[in-house]
Amino acid sequence: NAGVMQNPRHLVRRRGQEARLRCSPMKGHSHVYWYRQLPEEGLKFMVYLQKENIIDESGMPKERFSAEFPKEGPSILRIQQVVRGDSAAYFCASSTDRDTEAFFGQGTRLTVV
Amino acid sequence: DAKTTQPNSMESNEEEPVHLPCNHSTISGTDYIHWYRQLPSQGPEYVIHGLTSNVNNRMASLAIAEDRKSSTLILHRATLRDAAVYYCILANTGNQFYFGTGTSLTVIP
Repeated sequence: NAGVMQNPRHLVRRRGQEARLRCSPMKGHSHVYWYRQLPEEGLKFMVYLQKENIIDESGMPKERFSAEFPKEGPSILRIQQVVRGDSAAYFCASSTDRDTEAFFGQGTRLTVV
Repeated sequence: DAKTTQPNSMESNEEEPVHLPCNHSTISGTDYIHWYRQLPSQGPEYVIHGLTSNVNNRMASLAIAEDRKSSTLILHRATLRDAAVYYCILANTGNQFYFGTGTSLTVIP
């Protein structure tokens, strides 16, 4: 059973471009969480999704950021018109239920130049 | 979710036990205490969690104070692979965690 898969592992975007980060949860997991980690800081919760539904987006910036978890395929975190401050490591986690152990992926390191 | 207080850093000698403290004086009755650790350049890894009673698993033990205002993660024999940042997290329900800055554990050979 493969772990949580995130791709790409590293992503470089110029200011103003779009970044699309993908997360394939572990088999059998229907709950997905996205976190962002700025350099030298702890992880910050962004959004919690369950198949086709956003359950909690209290940590998502109000503009430029969106997330989806379609019925088929991976969860996608989309950042439009990236700025230098978006440079960070973005981690995805999945669980079988909302209160069960969360498994994290290796993260996508986004660099905006 | 309530916040936690942890020392910024700790050191331990290899093969000795390590006690990582966490204070959570504002914990609510339904908050679970979770511990995750993060090795350099990797995603967080689940260690252990509990509500009121002490918990043991293959990785560690979790000792929870009777008033639940503090807890201690115990690594019984530290190895070099245990060097990581350890996060103590309170969560009422779900995995929407506030991670804080954690304790950076250094294991000395």
